[in-house]
Amino acid sequence: DAGVTQSPTHLIKTRGQQVTLRCSPKSGHDTVSWYQQALGQGPQFIFQYYEEEERQRGNFPDRFSGHQFPNYSSELNVNALLLGDSALYLCASSDGQAYGYTFGSGTRLTVV
Amino acid sequence: ELKVEQNPLFLSMQEGKNYTIYCNYSTTSDRLYWYRQDPGKSLESLFVLLSNGAVKQEGRLMASLDTKARLSTLHITAAVHDLSATYFCAVDRFNFGNEKLTFGTGTRLTIIP
Repeated sequence: DAGVTQSPTHLIKTRGQQVTLRCSPKSGHDTVSWYQQALGQGPQFIFQYYEEEERQRGNFPDRFSGHQFPNYSSELNVNALLLGDSALYLCASSDGQAYGYTFGSGTRLTVV
Repeated sequence: ELKVEQNPLFLSMQEGKNYTIYCNYSTTSDRLYWYRQDPGKSLESLFVLLSNGAVKQEGRLMASLDTKARLSTLHITAAVHDLSATYFCAVDRFNFGNEKLTFGTGTRLTIIP
């Protein structure tokens, strides 16, 4: 049973560029959440997708956007990258019924 | 706004010793999670605590929850080097459409041989 799959594993971008990160949820999960974890800090909630819509959002600017596809996979897009966007981006899936989240291995984004 | 605080932030301890990590949260929450994170890696789920007085144990780690005090503890017994990692607690509300994790600051644990 595959867990949560994220791609790419690592990414280096230049300030001002745009980036897209991808996440495939665990089989049977229909809800995908994205978190940003800066170095030395705890993960911060970005947003959550359910039924192809953004259901709730954390305190992140509009430069951060996302999408969920009919197969429940999700993308996180960040426009106009800043140095401060450098972080580990984690995707977590859940089924909304039982407790617990399954986290992917993350995408390490470095903005130079 | 829900806030989660952990202490200590850094903990260095010798093998064989016992210690406790504390997690306080500011408002009522339904579920309390403990995660482990190794450097550069993702989060590994350790425990989920659902009710007041809940206690769970796995190997040398034991977690407990006091919802009245809004406090959870992660107790380490007879520490071994392999337990060196950063430990996070997190809480959420089981309100359909409103589940999201709020994490603590993390406790970086170093076990010295």
